[in-house]
Amino acid sequence: DVKVTQSSRYLVKRTGEKVFLECVQDMDHENMFWYRQDPGLGLRLIYFSYDVKMKEKGDIPEGYSVSREKKERFSLILESASTNQTSMYLCASSRYSGGGTAFFGQGTRLTVV
Amino acid sequence: QQQVKQSPQSLIVQKGGISIINCAYENTAFDYFPWYQQFPGKGPALLIAIRPDVSEKKEGRFTISFNKSAKQFSLHIMDSQPGDSATYFCAAILSSGTYKYIFGTGTRLKVLA
Repeated sequence: DVKVTQSSRYLVKRTGEKVFLECVQDMDHENMFWYRQDPGLGLRLIYFSYDVKMKEKGDIPEGYSVSREKKERFSLILESASTNQTSMYLCASSRYSGGGTAFFGQGTRLTVV
Repeated sequence: QQQVKQSPQSLIVQKGGISIINCAYENTAFDYFPWYQQFPGKGPALLIAIRPDVSEKKEGRFTISFNKSAKQFSLHIMDSQPGDSATYFCAAILSSGTYKYIFGTGTRLKVLA
């Protein structure tokens, strides 16, 4: 069974803290994604990685960075958390070619206070 | 040209009825079209997907209809059940050349018992 695992289901952090969200996939997928989901706004792409150490900005990269040192792991970093980054964060992975559909993790509900 | 437009934003259907969600795209290079189902507090889960050389794909009560000339595709849920109440996302994948994975904005479906 395919699996994308996010390290935390719920997180509460203080404004200004550096926050790490971790994601691991066991499918040997080339692509990994970080999305943010807010009511009425759908899924918004933060960053995308198509290979180890490779990354591309998505639609809303401001205030975020990512790290992909190993193929199976993709980390999202909030450099200095702010209250407007309170959201549901979703990690996904997919194969690069052949119409590879994305598989999602269970999500991390982050609250910044 | 990279957008996928999804409608309606929300849908209420009686138990046993047919739920229909529509998506439209512009870029004819998209080569795979998945649908996702998301329950509250969970990550989206792949439901069904279709390639553009097929006009219809059916899996149980879920059917994708694809109209290549109109650049539209739709999800039909037959005999809708209260357990189908969820948010549904369509997506379009461009898997050759520059990889793109574009989501629609989502449809919140409520099936009344």
